[in-house]
Formats: sequence, structure tokens, C-alpha cells
Amino acid sequence: GAVVSQHPSWVICKSGTSVKIECRSLDFQATTMFWYRQFPKQSLMLMATSNEGSKATYEQGVEKDKFLINHASLTLSTLTVTSAHPEDSSFYICSARERLAERDTQYFGPGTRLTVL
Amino acid sequence: KQEVTQIPAALSVPEGENLVLNCSFTDSAIYNLQWFRQDPGKGLTSLLLIQSSQREQTSGRLNASLDKSSGRSTLYIAASQPGDSATYLCAVRRYYSGGGADGLTFGKGTHLIIQP
Repeated sequence: GAVVSQHPSWVICKSGTSVKIECRSLDFQATTMFWYRQFPKQSLMLMATSNEGSKATYEQGVEKDKFLINHASLTLSTLTVTSAHPEDSSFYICSARERLAERDTQYFGPGTRLTVL
Repeated sequence: KQEVTQIPAALSVPEGENLVLNCSFTDSAIYNLQWFRQDPGKGLTSLLLIQSSQREQTSGRLNASLDKSSGRSTLYIAASQPGDSATYLCAVRRYYSGGGADGLTFGKGTHLIIQP
């Protein structure tokens, strides 16, 4: 089956630093990738939709200048949390849509746990 | 704005019981509905996907139904096992007439514990 990886799986950083999270589709091409955030005991919330070669579309309330998304190829999207603060600590999960998938399923990565001190 | 609600929030039952998890959504104009499993600190495992034109899907001991008009879905787990213990998430994808992909709206999940 389709596999999506994320790197790193966890990261701890100091307040004010920037953190980059990678999302890769390992065995398929993904024209669209999605970034979600999950706070403790809350559900996943869609942050943005990333289309290869174009600007990301952000959900209402998500700061595009703080959460920079780059989808430079059909297998890689990156999320950069700029000037991270403790309130950005969360579980970040990406998903990828297979380009020619008949079932149109999103495949999810294992997630990245970010802790900002 | 689409809202997804899952009931109950938590459930603990003895091994072997059959159980039903409920999901409701406010906007019936959905493209599909998906049930996921999430283990603590882990990502998501897709269990079943129901297209808007379908009424149910089955996989092993799992059966999911969809009543789009009433905005409801149920996940039925037969003969529960301790390994079924996890958080179960329901998510809907809104209809996107442009033909492109769209993100999912998730419920908060049902935390399920199967007692040995």
C-alpha cells in the first residue's frame, strides 16, 4: 500500500527558533498534500492544503507567515514553523493524495511531535 | 462550516462484546466519509471509506454505515478484542465540485478500551 513518511518523528526546540518538518510519499506521486495539527485530547484540524508547484491554501485562522509550506515536488512537502512558541507545541500530521487514485484516498504519515520550550 | 461529532467520547467494554460507535455531521454535502484508528502517540490507520453514494462498507469484523441525508454514520465492531483498543476517528471530506482534493474534517474521536 501507499506509504507516507514524516521526518523528524519528534523534535524539541527553544522558543523563537524555526523547525522544518518533511512529508514524503514513498511509493507514489502526490499532487496534493495536507497538513493537520492535533492538540492533546483534541481532534485533527486541517491547517493547509499543499499543491505541487503552487502556493498552499490555508484554513481560516492559520497564519501563513508562521507556518510556511513548500511543495516543491510530487513526493515532498515541507512545513516550517517559524519563530516557534510553546503554544505551537502539537502533533503535526501530513497526508498525501495519490495522483491517479481511483479511490481518492488520503494516506497519512506517522506524525511529528513538536515540543517548544 | 462542517462539524463532526462522535459519541460516546469514551467506551470501555469486556472482550467479546459487539459495539457501535456513532458519528454525526452537520453538512450532508459530503464526498465521502472515512473511519480511522489512532493508537497513542501514533498516526492514523484508515479502516473504512464510504463514498457518498454508498450505504455501507465492511472489512473483517468492522462494518460502517452511512446515512448521508440524516448526517450519520456508525462503526460496528463485532467480537471485540483487546487489540481493538484505540481511539477511533470519523472524518468527512466535503464535496469539491472542482474535482480536486480537499482536506478532511475530523471528529474528536471515541477512546475505546477493550478489557481482557
